[in-house]
Amino acid sequence: KAGVTQTPRYLIKTRGQQVTLSCSPISGHRSVSWYQQTPGQGLQFLFEYFSETQRNKGNFPGRFSGRQFSNSRSEMNVSTLELGDSALYLCASSLENSYGYTFGSGTRLTVV
Amino acid sequence: QKEVEQDPGPLSVPEGAIVSLNCTYSNSAFQYFMWYRQYSRKGPELLMYTYSSGNKEDGRFTAQVDKSSKYISLFIRDSQPSDSATYLCAVNTGRAAGNKLTFGGGTRVLVKP
Repeated sequence: KAGVTQTPRYLIKTRGQQVTLSCSPISGHRSVSWYQQTPGQGLQFLFEYFSETQRNKGNFPGRFSGRQFSNSRSEMNVSTLELGDSALYLCASSLENSYGYTFGSGTRLTVV
Repeated sequence: QKEVEQDPGPLSVPEGAIVSLNCTYSNSAFQYFMWYRQYSRKGPELLMYTYSSGNKEDGRFTAQVDKSSKYISLFIRDSQPSDSATYLCAVNTGRAAGNKLTFGGGTRVLVKP
């Protein structure tokens, strides 16, 4: 059974640019959540999508956005990148009424 | 003050010892409690999930929740070098919050052969 797949694994961007990260959930999982992990702030919730609708949102600026497609795959976008956006971005998927979240290995974003 | 506090460690123990990890939380609305293990360069992996106060055991792992004290613990018996990782506690207020987890900062554990 394939796990949660995130692409790309590593990314280097310049300040001011924008970036799109991709997440393919486990087959059958319709809920996809995104988290940011940094050494200083730890793991912080960005947003959750279920059936193409954003169900919950964390305390991040509007530069962070996401979407989910009909096949449950999800993308997140960060516009006007800042140095502080350098982090590991993790995607997690789960069944509708389950707390069995499965995380991907993440995308390591470095902003220079 | 963070909603979930966790000692960052590192916690170093000899192989075979019991590893004791804990977290405290401030919001009594949290009802679901989880422990994740994260190896370097990997995403977190769910170890234990509990809902009510009390103990839950799964193999070498025991999770404890004391809602009255807002205190959660994870014990690892017969620790192995492969248990060396960062352990994260996470909490959730329930289905209304969706999949929004609030994490502790993580505790680094090193099990020495």
